[in-house]
Amino acid sequence: DQQVKQNSPSLSVQEGRISILNCDYTNSMFDYFLWYKKYPAEGPTFLISISSIKDKNEDGRFTVFLNKSAKHLSLHIVPSQPGDSAVYFCAASVTNAGKSTFGDGTTLTVKP
Amino acid sequence: GAGVSQSPRYKVAKRGQDVALRCDPISGHVSLFWYQQALGQGPEFLTYFQNEAQLDKSGLPSDRFFAERPEGSVSTLKIQRTQQEDSAVYLCASSLDLVRAQAGYTFGSGTRLTVV
Repeated sequence: DQQVKQNSPSLSVQEGRISILNCDYTNSMFDYFLWYKKYPAEGPTFLISISSIKDKNEDGRFTVFLNKSAKHLSLHIVPSQPGDSAVYFCAASVTNAGKSTFGDGTTLTVKP
Repeated sequence: GAGVSQSPRYKVAKRGQDVALRCDPISGHVSLFWYQQALGQGPEFLTYFQNEAQLDKSGLPSDRFFAERPEGSVSTLKIQRTQQEDSAVYLCASSLDLVRAQAGYTFGSGTRLTVV
């Protein structure tokens, strides 16, 4: 039973437009959510996170939205740039539990 | 060091062979995590350490998998009698502490293990 799901394996957007990546979770105990970005042959790189006490967190071009009632979060990238092309992983954790549970990733392609 | 360093980058093992994967975390990072990433999937938790103490090993898939961090810095993940289903990228991550782990780990580039 996959507790964190990214239902879109891939997404393609035009440079300058908005990219929206989605993630759903089933475990209501999760109280911290993270997005990582991964380039080929590299490890994932932390991008942005949000605590369950918030519904939005913004960092430059990246904004994460959390809808607890729907157990859904999304990552918005505005404006999208070709360098944003990568695999994006959603992850969720429980406070002080240490481990994170990851989705299977969404491959974003930003076309010039 | 500047980042999390893992070695070797690539390892080909014959089925039944034992392997050892090394992780050098960022200096001063107390928390260290191991994840396994199969092709086309997200990382899956294996185990984590707080200094030298292994606090959670619930993700280790079988007793063939063993991890240690004897002095609270470098960690080794050992897989005995490797099988084809062990083929994956093994990722190590570290964090200053458990609280800051919730704000994101720093991952190494991983070791790609192929069992033939």
